[in-house]
Amino acid sequence: GAVVSQHPSWVICKSGTSVKIECRSLDFQATTMFWYRQFPKQSLMLMATSNEGSKATYEQGVEKDKFLINHASLTLSTLTVTSAHPEDSSFYICSARARDFRDTGELFFGEGSRLTVL
Amino acid sequence: KQEVTQIPAALSVPEGENLVLNCSFTDSAIYNLQWFRQDPGKGLTSLLLIQSSQREQTSGRLNASLDKSSGRSTLYIAASQPGDSATYLCAVPGGYNKLIFGAGTRLAVHP
Repeated sequence: GAVVSQHPSWVICKSGTSVKIECRSLDFQATTMFWYRQFPKQSLMLMATSNEGSKATYEQGVEKDKFLINHASLTLSTLTVTSAHPEDSSFYICSARARDFRDTGELFFGEGSRLTVL
Repeated sequence: KQEVTQIPAALSVPEGENLVLNCSFTDSAIYNLQWFRQDPGKGLTSLLLIQSSQREQTSGRLNASLDKSSGRSTLYIAASQPGDSATYLCAVPGGYNKLIFGAGTRLAVHP
């Protein structure tokens, strides 16, 4: 199947700093990537849809100035948590759909990035 | 608004048992349904994708069925093994490429 890679897999930072998380599609091009957030023992909640070459579309209640999303190429989307606070500590997961012969409607997910803000 | 519910929330069974995990959704107008596995602290691994025109899909010891009219899907795990221990999530499309997830079933298979 198609491979999605996230980096870093975990990060610890001080309150007030910014953290960038990368999401890459390794063997396919992804015009659209999705960022999810997951709290402990809860399901995934979609934060935003990242569109290559254009602005991201944020879900209701998600602060666009807090969670900056950039999708500069067909294989890379980044999520930057700005001025992070302890309540931003969470597990962030990206996903993408393969826009080629493997396009069956299936979404592929990265391994996730655990953010801990002290 | 689409809502996805998974029952049971948690399940603990001895090795070798056959299991059934349930997923229900409120809006039957879906074009596919996906089952995922999530290990603790990890991302999601896609297990099975069922298109709306299909009734079931099989992969090894896993079999997923879909009944759109009743808004239900089941994931059947045959001859469970300790390595099957994980959280199992079902998800349906909630818009263009968006997925709506259930809360998951946490499965523990003990030797």
